[in-house]
Amino acid sequence: GAVVSQHPSRVICKSGTSVKIECRSLDFQATTMFWYRQFPKQSLMLMATSNEGSKATYEQGVEKDKFLINHASLTLSTLTVTSAHPEDSSFYICSAQRGGPYNEQFFGPGTRLTVL
Amino acid sequence: AQTVTQSQPEMSVQEAETVTLSCTYDTSESDYYLFWYKQPPSRQMILVIRQEAYKQQNATENRFSVNFQKAAKSFSLKISDSQLGDAAMYFCAYRDTGTASKLTFGTGTRLQVTL
Repeated sequence: GAVVSQHPSRVICKSGTSVKIECRSLDFQATTMFWYRQFPKQSLMLMATSNEGSKATYEQGVEKDKFLINHASLTLSTLTVTSAHPEDSSFYICSAQRGGPYNEQFFGPGTRLTVL
Repeated sequence: AQTVTQSQPEMSVQEAETVTLSCTYDTSESDYYLFWYKQPPSRQMILVIRQEAYKQQNATENRFSVNFQKAAKSFSLKISDSQLGDAAMYFCAYRDTGTASKLTFGTGTRLQVTL
């Protein structure tokens, strides 16, 4: 149990276009999901915390208008990179928090975004 | 703000040997969780082991164990009988006990396993 999927796994887009990444908890409900960004050979940097039915909480330095997050249901959160530029190229990882004593986070497999 | 420090960018161990990865953290909280995550080349984050700060007993999961020193704010991971499949990036992480608390990751240690 506790499987999190991400779609797409890889995406290549042209500069100036928008890209949507989906994060789904397949076998549990997640009131909270998290979005991370990981540059090559670096750690995961939290971008935002997404709560179902409310606005996301963004980390300092993350542009809200550029990285739109929607958490419309207990099993789905989406990250839209608007007007993508080459510097947005990165590996994006989501995690979904399952309730319980540890409120453990389960990670998706990640999405590699390349902006040309 | 909480910080997590991993001072070993890379480590190497021979197959079947034991290796210890270091992690220190800083927090003013008395209760919290600590984790070690493994990120293999597939980049899927995998939970290796978790420790609750209020527990004095060190957590163990098969070949993986931790040395949790709360006063020293140290949380090292020991991998026994290392296997080729253990080669990966290992991240130490901290989390408060709040319901929607975020994970704070260290910079990672790349573990190589040699024959």
